[in-house]
Amino acid sequence: DAGVIQSPRHEVTEMGQEVTLRCKPISGHNSLFWYRQTMMRGLELLIYFNNNVPIDDSGMPEDRFSAKMPNASFSTLKIQPSEPRDSAVYFCASSLSSSGQPYQPQHFGDGTRLSIL
Amino acid sequence: RKEVEQDPGPFNVPEGATVAFNCTYSNSASQSFFWYRQDCRKEPKLLMSVYSSGNEDGRFTAQLNRASQYISLLIRDSKLSDSATYLCVVRSLPGTYKYIFGTGTRLKVLA
Repeated sequence: DAGVIQSPRHEVTEMGQEVTLRCKPISGHNSLFWYRQTMMRGLELLIYFNNNVPIDDSGMPEDRFSAKMPNASFSTLKIQPSEPRDSAVYFCASSLSSSGQPYQPQHFGDGTRLSIL
Repeated sequence: RKEVEQDPGPFNVPEGATVAFNCTYSNSASQSFFWYRQDCRKEPKLLMSVYSSGNEDGRFTAQLNRASQYISLLIRDSKLSDSATYLCVVRSLPGTYKYIFGTGTRLKVLA
């Protein structure tokens, strides 16, 4: 079975450029999560969607970050303009969220390693 | 107080040893609990869910203590390949879709 698919795997770009990260969740999963991980701050939840609707974006650092989920099989995280402090590994994860199935875990993609020069 | 707390370690243990990690959570209404493993520069991967009655998967045993609000992970006969960071994850409320991650406990198994 295909897992969560993220692209690109690596991105190196200059400060000020727009960066778009992509995620395809596991088919049938109705919740999607974007995380950022750095050595200093660990794993941070940026935003999550349920049934394509953003539920909580309180972790989005600032207005330079935006995320969309136009359909159940695709989501993007955009940074515009990018800054060196945005350099991190960005993970997408998906899960099946149902009150009747509380033990459903999250499944992570391989991540996108982002370097802003 | 953090919602989910773990001892960051590192725990350095010899091969074959038994090692245990604890994780405490602050929300008594938390419903679902998991242990994830993360290798260096890789994504977190589900190790096991933690059920109310406790559960075992090979060398790994997970326990839940609701009264004291902690979960534990026991690794028996540790292998070099068990070296990783172990993340405790809690799902806070029924109907809430967020997963709250601890900062992880680093384990290094020594030859």
